[in-house]
Amino acid sequence: DGGITQSPKYLFRKEGQNVTLSCEQNLNHDAMYWYRQDPGQGLRLIYYSQIVNDFQKGDIAEGYSVSREKKESFPLTVTSAQKNPTAFYLCASSSDRNTEAFFGQGTRLTVV
Amino acid sequence: DAKTTQPPSMDCAEGRAANLPCNHSTISGNEYVYWYRQIHSQGPQYIIHGLKNNETNEMASLIITEDRKSSTLILPHATLRDTAVYYCIVRVVRNTDKLIFGTGTRLQVFP
Repeated sequence: DGGITQSPKYLFRKEGQNVTLSCEQNLNHDAMYWYRQDPGQGLRLIYYSQIVNDFQKGDIAEGYSVSREKKESFPLTVTSAQKNPTAFYLCASSSDRNTEAFFGQGTRLTVV
Repeated sequence: DAKTTQPPSMDCAEGRAANLPCNHSTISGNEYVYWYRQIHSQGPQYIIHGLKNNETNEMASLIITEDRKSSTLILPHATLRDTAVYYCIVRVVRNTDKLIFGTGTRLQVFP
């Protein structure tokens, strides 16, 4: 089946540790995105990539880093510099700017 | 960036049409309006999108006003499984590519 896979679904980390969230898609989409969602809020864009080896900051990129070495993969690292990392993280992909973006099922990160 | 305004919550009887309004008065000419819905703790599900013309698919219809400052999502025969948060979104593509989410409308479908 084609789709976007995020793993793991739940993740716990100690404060001060970096953590990497996985996002893989087999839809052959060029563009991929990372969003963050806090309770009762809409989604906010962290980073996006329109092509391999290129990515752009979104609205809340501080404390996060990404890479896009392969078309299928767009991992997100939550660094210790992110002040409030506990949140629901969603990855998405789309073929171009005029078509729908498909979302993964999300990773819920809890930092204790 | 364009913003959207939606009522925080709405109710609808099962089998009736659900009409969800959205205001996007600052939308630019080349920005699409998208609708997604999200069931608790899941990823948003795409419903429909449009630029100027009304659109219809197997899930819903999208009615966009002529001045493009507002739109309405119509679920023709709501079911209990349509209970979710519905997001009206503007996709900004000038010098970027992002879906701008608001806080959405929580639709409750009741028996």
